[in-house]
Amino acid sequence: AQKITQTQPGMFVQEKEAVTLDCTYDTSDPSYGLFWYKQPSSGEMIFLIYQGSYDQQNATEGRYSLNFQKARKSANLVISASQLGDSAMYFCAMRDSGGSNYKLTFGKGTLLTVNP
Amino acid sequence: NAGVTQTPKFQVLKTGQSMTLQCAQDMNHEYMSWYRQDPGMGLRLIHYSVGAGITDQGEVPNGYNVSRSTTEDFPLRLLSAAPSQTSVYFCASSSTGREKLFFGSGTQLSVL
Repeated sequence: AQKITQTQPGMFVQEKEAVTLDCTYDTSDPSYGLFWYKQPSSGEMIFLIYQGSYDQQNATEGRYSLNFQKARKSANLVISASQLGDSAMYFCAMRDSGGSNYKLTFGKGTLLTVNP
Repeated sequence: NAGVTQTPKFQVLKTGQSMTLQCAQDMNHEYMSWYRQDPGMGLRLIHYSVGAGITDQGEVPNGYNVSRSTTEDFPLRLLSAAPSQTSVYFCASSSTGREKLFFGSGTQLSVL
């Protein structure tokens, strides 16, 4: 079974609107961390936001927020006021113990296109 | 601030050739890892290291070797390249396995 599932291969959003990118995860470990990375067309991997499983509040970083629903095992990324520069591939990732504390498992990604 | 440095950025190999992808970090990170990225597959972990002298296999280790003789360097070796190893390779590091990963700029490898 996949540990990280991103069900949206592609998403479109109008500039200045908000968009939600979905991510569900699967783990039996009570201690885990969830990450979102952005990969623009230039190819580099850019860290966006982190949520720990014991964090009481949803993580926020500027225009990025993480809608963390622990019971549903979802960690959706919300981008507010989309900009043209937000067009990129977005990856959700999880680190859990699962035999090792050091493996970060990635989803297959969502390609976001921001239209002017 | 160099961060994580990968070389080369591009490489073309013939089937059966060997090569080493270099990765160096200057942040004194204990944890280093190699991922490969293929279209529609996300990033998959090849090998990782939690410190000098310690390495372990990830999800897709076959056909790749690694070693960690120093904290700074974590080279990835392809002993006999195959077309299935055509991919983009990323090296990444973090201060511990629990922190965010810092990525190198990637190596685009084609095996003909």
